Amino acid sequence: GDSVTQMEGPVTLSEEAFLTINCTYTATGYPSLFWYVQYPGEGLQLLLKATKADDKGSNKGFEATYRKETTSFHLEKGSVQVSDSAVYFCALSRRDSSYKLIFGSGTRLLVRP
Amino acid sequence: SQTIHQWPATLVQPVGSPLSLECTVEGTSNPNLYWYRQAAGRGLQLLFYSVGIGQISSEVPQNLSASRPQDRQFILSSKKLLLSDSGFYLCAWTPGDYGYTFGSGTRLTVV
Repeated sequence: GDSVTQMEGPVTLSEEAFLTINCTYTATGYPSLFWYVQYPGEGLQLLLKATKADDKGSNKGFEATYRKETTSFHLEKGSVQVSDSAVYFCALSRRDSSYKLIFGSGTRLLVRP
Repeated sequence: SQTIHQWPATLVQPVGSPLSLECTVEGTSNPNLYWYRQAAGRGLQLLFYSVGIGQISSEVPQNLSASRPQDRQFILSSKKLLLSDSGFYLCAWTPGDYGYTFGSGTRLTVV
């Protein structure tokens, strides 16, 4: 079945450092890909998404590019802030699979001042 | 407007007791509905989903069951809770595309 694999956390960075959180997927067909963020004590929020190969999703300085050849959707940000500390989830969904969102295990990011 | 209600927010239940968590959606019809569980330090696991009234698909065989008695109502149940059922339960819906809305969640502690 479909699955998503994320890098293990926690990822600890200093403020203004460059961030990469790796995400790879296994799926039949052509899934849409997502990054969700869960800030401490809050619910899930959509961060960005990409619906087809080579699409780049972006929001709040975060970017991820849908790479079909490497089945990857790595999350990047050029300069992280303390307020970016949260848990980040990579996910996929397919229309022909009832739009089920399949999540990775999540990566906790800690940004130190 | 479209909203999702999930309750209760917090629940502490003894082992062996029954469970009923409810999720309702407003402002739409025939939504796809989903139940997820997030165990401590773990990711989000899809438990059940439904594409219509009375249609339930189970992703993970376990101690839980789900029902959809009305178009916009999705219920998660258990006859006898186990310690391993503790976690954060999230309901979500989509109108049949990639626009997902999540409820605020129920934190269940089985003692």
